[in-house]
Amino acid sequence: QKEVEQNSGPLSVPEGAIASLNCTYSDRGSQSFFWYRQYSGKSPELIMFIYSNGDKEDGRFTAQLNKASQYVSLLIRDSQPSDSATYLCAVITGTASKLTFGTGTRLQVTL
Amino acid sequence: KAGVTQTPRYLIKTRGQQVTLSCSPISGHRSVSWYQQTPGQGLQFLFEYFSETQRNKGNFPGRFSGRQFSNSRSEMNVSTLELGDSALYLCASLDGGTQYFGPGTRLTVL
Repeated sequence: QKEVEQNSGPLSVPEGAIASLNCTYSDRGSQSFFWYRQYSGKSPELIMFIYSNGDKEDGRFTAQLNKASQYVSLLIRDSQPSDSATYLCAVITGTASKLTFGTGTRLQVTL
Repeated sequence: KAGVTQTPRYLIKTRGQQVTLSCSPISGHRSVSWYQQTPGQGLQFLFEYFSETQRNKGNFPGRFSGRQFSNSRSEMNVSTLELGDSALYLCASLDGGTQYFGPGTRLTVL
């Protein structure tokens, strides 16, 4: 079982719709959760982080964490073509600062 | 604040050579992590440095090494390059638990 799992996609949503990206993790000791966006040929860009159960909102983005189900998600409201990218879920487990990444979900926002 | 800088941005080497990549973190950040990104393996952790000391290491062979200087700048070295070392090498600047990535160095091994 992979430590962090994501559906590779592509996830295709029409412009203006809500995109829902999901991530599961295997280690119950995971404490910190991150979403990065990566455009083709570029480096990952931090979108959000979440540490506590529940929702965290930042503009059009909402991160949701459910530690009991070992599940973290990212919602993108009013999706724009510029949101088309690969979204990487990453977790930190224990005291180390090592990020463990999922393989990423490719999002396509269509006109 | 300036972001994370990495040099060089692109590099072409041949098998058996060695390479040194450089990273300057965000001003005031004392911790740096390195990652390798390949299409097959995704993003994998190489090592982390804090105050010139290696604090964590990933599962890479000893050909991969690094160091950090007193000004927090970091270098990583790969010796005896193999074709499989072709990848995007990313440096991240750490602010507590949050990591900000630099633009990366694209290494091609021929």
